[in-house]
Formats: sequence, structure tokens, C-alpha cells
Amino acid sequence: GENVEQHPSTLSVQEGDSAVIKCTYSDSASNYFPWYKQELGKGPQLIIDIRSNVGEKKDQRIAVTLNKTAKHFSLHITETQPEDSAVYFCAASPRFMNNNDMRFGAGTRLTVKP
Amino acid sequence: DGGITQSPKYLFRKEGQNVTLSCEQNLNHDAMYWYRQDPGQGLRLIYYSQIVNDFQKGDIAEGYSVSREKKESFPLTVTSAQKNPTAFYLCASSTTGQGGQPQHFGDGTRLSIL
Repeated sequence: GENVEQHPSTLSVQEGDSAVIKCTYSDSASNYFPWYKQELGKGPQLIIDIRSNVGEKKDQRIAVTLNKTAKHFSLHITETQPEDSAVYFCAASPRFMNNNDMRFGAGTRLTVKP
Repeated sequence: DGGITQSPKYLFRKEGQNVTLSCEQNLNHDAMYWYRQDPGQGLRLIYYSQIVNDFQKGDIAEGYSVSREKKESFPLTVTSAQKNPTAFYLCASSTTGQGGQPQHFGDGTRLSIL
């Protein structure tokens, strides 16, 4: 089955700097890669996703890149703000199987210092 | 507003007691999921349901039970057989049960032992 590894587990940046979180996956059948943001005491919120037919996707200050050959994908947050502080999870899902096979990384706790 | 509602937000269980966590969605989604989240770990799948009156075990189903009598509702019972139930429980749904669908989460129930 799919195995998703996420790094780093914690990340601290200064406000205005960029943050990068990286994930690797093991199953070449995976072709859908969502990223979630979880604030304290809340459920994860989908912030951006990418499918395997695309190498990069951008939405304002956040972007995701995908390297299918190397089986890794990354979340990039530019011009970080204190409200970006949260735990971020990556996930991978194979398209033609049941959705229950979505596997999550262990999470990255991002702290943005004002 | 459409979304997923989990209740209660906090729940306490006594030894030998079964407790039931509620999950309701008004997104008209076919598939629903239950995850367990422990500190510093990713989400682990307990049970999932792709359609009414059908559900399947996930990776850590032992000590848990579910039902799916209505499309909108997917309650999770934590039985006395679950010896380490203290965790944050998240319910999610997706449009269908096929791969490649984003999952939408509720705000969770935190279960503790008295």
C-alpha cells in the first residue's frame, strides 16, 4: 500500500519569509495529492491540491509542485504571515481505487514569528 | 452553509462504557470516513462507507463500530474493547468513494478517559 513521508516535522520561519514542506510517496499509482491545513482544535481544511497530469499549481501565496519521476511533491508558502501558523498535512490517493486509500503524512507544524 | 458537523466537541468515557460520536453532513456526499488522530501523527482510517447501508474496515477498526442508515449520518461507536481510546476523532466525506476525490473534514471530537 501507499506510504507517505513528510518533512520537516516542525518548521519555524520569520514573517515574510518563505516556507517549504516536502512529501514523498511510494505508490506510482497515486495521482491525486491534496494539502490540508489544520488549526488548533479544528479539522483539516483543504488548501490546495494537484493531480499527476500537472507539474505545478499556484493559488495566491501558496503553490504545490509535483515530481512524478522522483515521487515527491512540495508545498511552498511565500510571504508568510502569523495566520499561516498551523499544522500542514500532505496526502496521496490512487485515482482508480477506492478513496479510502488516501494516505496522509505525519504533519508539519509551521510557526511564523512576527 | 454546507458542511460536516461533529458532536460533541468533547467527550469523556468511563471504564467499560461504550460511547457514540455523531457525524452529520449536508453536502449530499456518498462517501464518509472516520479517522483517528494522535499527537504528532497523521490520520489513521478507522472505517469508511461508500454508500448507504455499506461500510468497510480501515486500518485500525478493532474496538470501533459504525452504521450508515442514512446518507447524511455516519455515527462511530467506541466500544469498551478499545483499550486506548483517548484521541482526536475526525469525520470526513467526499462526493464519491472513488480515488482522486478531496475529502472534507468536520472539526472533530476529542475523547478522553475518566
